[in-house]
Amino acid sequence: EAQVTQNPRYLITVTGKKLTVTCSQNMNHEYMSWYRQDPGLGLRQIYYSMNVEVTDKGDVPEGYKVSRKEKRNFPLILESPSPNQTSLYFCASSSSRDSGITDTQYFGPGTRLTVL
Amino acid sequence: LAKTTQPISMDSYEGQEVNITCSHNNIATNDYITWYQQFPSQGPRFIIQGYKTKVTNEVASLFIPADRKSSTLSLPRVSLSDTAVYYCLVGDMSGGYNKLIFGAGTRLAVHP
Repeated sequence: EAQVTQNPRYLITVTGKKLTVTCSQNMNHEYMSWYRQDPGLGLRQIYYSMNVEVTDKGDVPEGYKVSRKEKRNFPLILESPSPNQTSLYFCASSSSRDSGITDTQYFGPGTRLTVL
Repeated sequence: LAKTTQPISMDSYEGQEVNITCSHNNIATNDYITWYQQFPSQGPRFIIQGYKTKVTNEVASLFIPADRKSSTLSLPRVSLSDTAVYYCLVGDMSGGYNKLIFGAGTRLAVHP
């Protein structure tokens, strides 16, 4: 089954304790992205990756890191989480956008993060 | 940046047609317009995509005028299960790479 998986689904942590949220897709997609969703603000892009070893900032990258060492995985790293990073996080993937076409994005189930 | 603007919320009744309009004044030449649907505690789900004129699939229609500065998602004969948040999405090429920007979303409530 084609899917995007995220782990963990729920996480409660404390300020400053490094954490990683994993994302994996089995569709051989080149493009992967992380979003956060907060009440009243919709979905905001954190980072995206066009392919292996190619990443770039989205609209709200501060406080986050990503890596893309393999095509299928795109982990989101919070080196020193703060309470303002409490949010619902979604990973998404899609096939290449070389032509500028907004290919269908497949979203993971979400990770609800609480930073105390 | 190709920013989008949508109504915050809409109400409708079962069996009615619902039209949600998205404004995207700075859409890039090669960008497509895509709409997603999101239910609570789930990731967004693709509904429809188009470049210009009209696109129709089994769940919705998308109307895009010639200037492409706006688009309208049309849901025919909505049911209670169509209650969700609907997002308008356009690609942003301004950074050299592709950045995707979601609108704030429109919360559609369908009443019996």
